[in-house]
Amino acid sequence: DTAVSQTPKYLVTQMGNDKSIKCEQNLGHDTMYWYKQDSKKFLKIMFSYNNKELIINETVPNRFSPKSPDKAHLNLHINSLELGDSAVYFCASSLRTGGSVTEQFFGPGTRLTVL
Amino acid sequence: GQSLEQPSEVTAVEGAIVQINCTYQTSGFYGLSWYQQHDGGAPTFLSYNGLDGLEETGRFSSFLSRSDSYGYLLLQELQMKDSASYFCAVRDGANTGFQKLVFGTGTRLLVSP
Repeated sequence: DTAVSQTPKYLVTQMGNDKSIKCEQNLGHDTMYWYKQDSKKFLKIMFSYNNKELIINETVPNRFSPKSPDKAHLNLHINSLELGDSAVYFCASSLRTGGSVTEQFFGPGTRLTVL
Repeated sequence: GQSLEQPSEVTAVEGAIVQINCTYQTSGFYGLSWYQQHDGGAPTFLSYNGLDGLEETGRFSSFLSRSDSYGYLLLQELQMKDSASYFCAVRDGANTGFQKLVFGTGTRLLVSP
């Protein structure tokens, strides 16, 4: 029944490590996103993929690399983790029809803590 | 640049009506959305205004005035479960032709008995 799922839900790791977060949606949407929500709850888009093609890449360090193997999956790999990467990362999906983005459905989030 | 301003916190009692304002400044505008987020939860879609005027969905209504770069979310008959953070978000597509959501700073609503 889950619409947008993410794994893991919690991730605690040391500085300098490399980690990945996985996202899957079963809504048949063609567009997927990664957002970062910081400790002040500010929610900011990082990347967006439409039909496996990268369409939005906000000024994110190149330590962050998204990968979309198919329309239903969007993963996020982070290299050389830093303290400032600690945040909640949300995956989301939507339909893009005629250039217009419809409502976005968010996954449950992955709380990343870098020690 | 892009900026969306909301009050940081609003308090109200059960059964009351509360209005959460949002003023925005973006280079491209394709509509204003509202999302609700409970503590520890994911943002969930509430409402969307593409044109000026009022949209009503049950106890929630949302208003947009594009000439004033202003919108609000109106919550009626408040319930305890409405305690959450509320975000306005502008659909912005100026730079790439692909729309994206730019979120406001969020308003924490506390509903008391």
